[in-house]
Amino acid sequence: KQEVTQIPAALSVPEGENLVLNCSFTDSAIYNLQWFRQDPGKGLTSLLLIQSSQREQTSGRLNASLDKSSGRSTLYIAASQPGDSATYLCAVSSTPLVFGKGTRLSVIA
Amino acid sequence: NAGVTQTPKFRVLKTGQSMTLLCAQDMNHEYMYWYRQDPGMGLRLIHYSVGEGTTAKGEVPDGYNVSRLKKQNFLLGLESAAPSQTSVYFCASRFLGSGSPLHFGNGTRLTVT
Repeated sequence: KQEVTQIPAALSVPEGENLVLNCSFTDSAIYNLQWFRQDPGKGLTSLLLIQSSQREQTSGRLNASLDKSSGRSTLYIAASQPGDSATYLCAVSSTPLVFGKGTRLSVIA
Repeated sequence: NAGVTQTPKFRVLKTGQSMTLLCAQDMNHEYMYWYRQDPGMGLRLIHYSVGEGTTAKGEVPDGYNVSRLKKQNFLLGLESAAPSQTSVYFCASRFLGSGSPLHFGNGTRLTVT
């Protein structure tokens, strides 16, 4: 059974810092990996999707990498801003998606 | 473009009552999903559908039923609500294919007393 772990569960950083969020999964037979953002009281917004044949995807200040063989993905956020404060979840697509429990990020001005 | 719309946004039920949650998407997506999100448990899949007229069980299907009579709608039913079904329910949808991201609604907060 696929299991997805996100460490740390919570993270607080000063504005402007670069940071990395981690996601690990137990079964490397995946179709893709997605990173989502969830604001309080809201649904999830897809940030980046990396297909199993890809190594990374970039969108603005966000860069996500995927290493299937080691069962790991990272989400890199450059020059963090208070507006980046949210919970970030990763999900791996075996069949169907399995979610991690998320990392709650606080960016302090 | 409305995306994924869930109704209602909030609901309070008494134990034993029934209700239906409606999910509607206007993106012509083939796949639709119902998740529940609980503190400390993360998102768990209840049921999903890969197309009109088809449904399948997810990780936590007991106590729920679903129907997908039209491609754009996915209904989640609770026949006899229990306090353990107090949760936030999310609907999501996507196109067929591994490169298609998942789109979520804003959720329904259900309390069963």
